[in-house]
Amino acid sequence: KQEVTQIPAALSVPEGENLVLNCSFTDSAIYNLQWFRQDPGKGLTSLLLIQSSQREQTSGRLNASLDKSSGRSTLYIAASQPGDSATYLCAVMDSSYKLIFGSGTRLLVRP
Amino acid sequence: DADVTQTPRNRITKTGKRIMLECSQTKGHDRMYWYRQDPGLGLRLIYYSFDVKDINKGEISDGYSVSRQAQAKFSLSLESAIPNQTALYFCATSDSTSGIIDEQFFGPGTRLTVL
Repeated sequence: KQEVTQIPAALSVPEGENLVLNCSFTDSAIYNLQWFRQDPGKGLTSLLLIQSSQREQTSGRLNASLDKSSGRSTLYIAASQPGDSATYLCAVMDSSYKLIFGSGTRLLVRP
Repeated sequence: DADVTQTPRNRITKTGKRIMLECSQTKGHDRMYWYRQDPGLGLRLIYYSFDVKDINKGEISDGYSVSRQAQAKFSLSLESAIPNQTALYFCATSDSTSGIIDEQFFGPGTRLTVL
């Protein structure tokens, strides 16, 4: 059974820092991996999707990497801003096209 | 206008009541999903539908049922609500024919409280 773990569960950093969020999964048979952002009480916003054949994706200050063989992904946020404060969720699509989510990393960027 | 809408956005009900949550999408996607999220946890899949005639149970389907009334509409029902069904419920859609394998797009969520 696929399991997705995100470390750390919570992170507090001063504005301007570069930071890395980690995601690990137990079964390397995945179609893709998605990173989402969730603001309190709100829905999910898709940030980046990496297909299983890709190694990384970039969007603005965000960079996500995927190492399928080791079951790991990282989300790198450059020059963090208070507006980046949110919960970041990692999800993998398994071999039956279902998304399996981690429990998220709650990020606070202090001004 | 939002591509994936959910109604109601908030609902408070009592134990034993029947509740229906509705999801509509204007994205033209064939696949639709229902998830629940409990505090501090990720999302868990309740039911999913790959087309109008296809319904599948997810990880936590007990106590729930669904109906795919049309390609654009997917409803989730709680036949007899219980307090541990208090959660945030999300609908999502994806397009199996797109070049990107099943990127999912989420609605804004329904906050359900069962007293």
